[in-house]
Amino acid sequence: QKEVEQDPGPLSVPEGAIVSLNCTYSNSAFQYFMWYRQYSRKGPELLMYTYSSGNKEDGRFTAQVDKSSKYISLFIRDSQPSDSATYLCAMGMNSGYSTLTFGKGTMLLVSP
Amino acid sequence: EPEVTQTPSHQVTQMGQEVILRCVPISNHLYFYWYRQILGQKVEFLVSFYNNEISEKSEIFDDQFSVERPDGSNFTLKIRSTKLEDSAMYFCASREPTNSNQPQHFGDGTRLSIL
Repeated sequence: QKEVEQDPGPLSVPEGAIVSLNCTYSNSAFQYFMWYRQYSRKGPELLMYTYSSGNKEDGRFTAQVDKSSKYISLFIRDSQPSDSATYLCAMGMNSGYSTLTFGKGTMLLVSP
Repeated sequence: EPEVTQTPSHQVTQMGQEVILRCVPISNHLYFYWYRQILGQKVEFLVSFYNNEISEKSEIFDDQFSVERPDGSNFTLKIRSTKLEDSAMYFCASREPTNSNQPQHFGDGTRLSIL
């Protein structure tokens, strides 16, 4: 079983839609969770990070973590064409030097 | 906003040659990382570096790879004898020293093409 699973998409939505992106994981040692956005030929750009179950909101973005189900989500409200990118979930353990384990990424396409 | 910078953006090298990828982490960060992303695959951890020594490395990071912080600002990844399968995007990341769950910030990567 892969450590972090993420549907690669592509996910196509119209402008203004609410987008839901998800990851599941198998290792209960993961304690903190991040979402990165990656544009073509660019590095991962940090969007959200959290280390507790529940919701965290930042502008149009909401990160949700359910540790009991080993499931994390990123919601994007009022999606814009500029949100078109690949979204990577990443997670780490709260010990050591906190290397990150990534999902494969979901490609999001927001059409005007 | 401070950022991680990587050079070169694209490196083309003949198989068997040595290559050095360079990174300037964010200035107050003390933990440094290299990751790679083969086309169409996940971002994979290679190595972490703290206090002038390797703190963790993956099974990918074999004897052909080495890292160095030659001065107070640069952090380098060297591949001694490149192979075709080393072709990938290589990302440098850094994070603050405050606690282990601080997020890592990534550079835009070096695209390494081995011919």
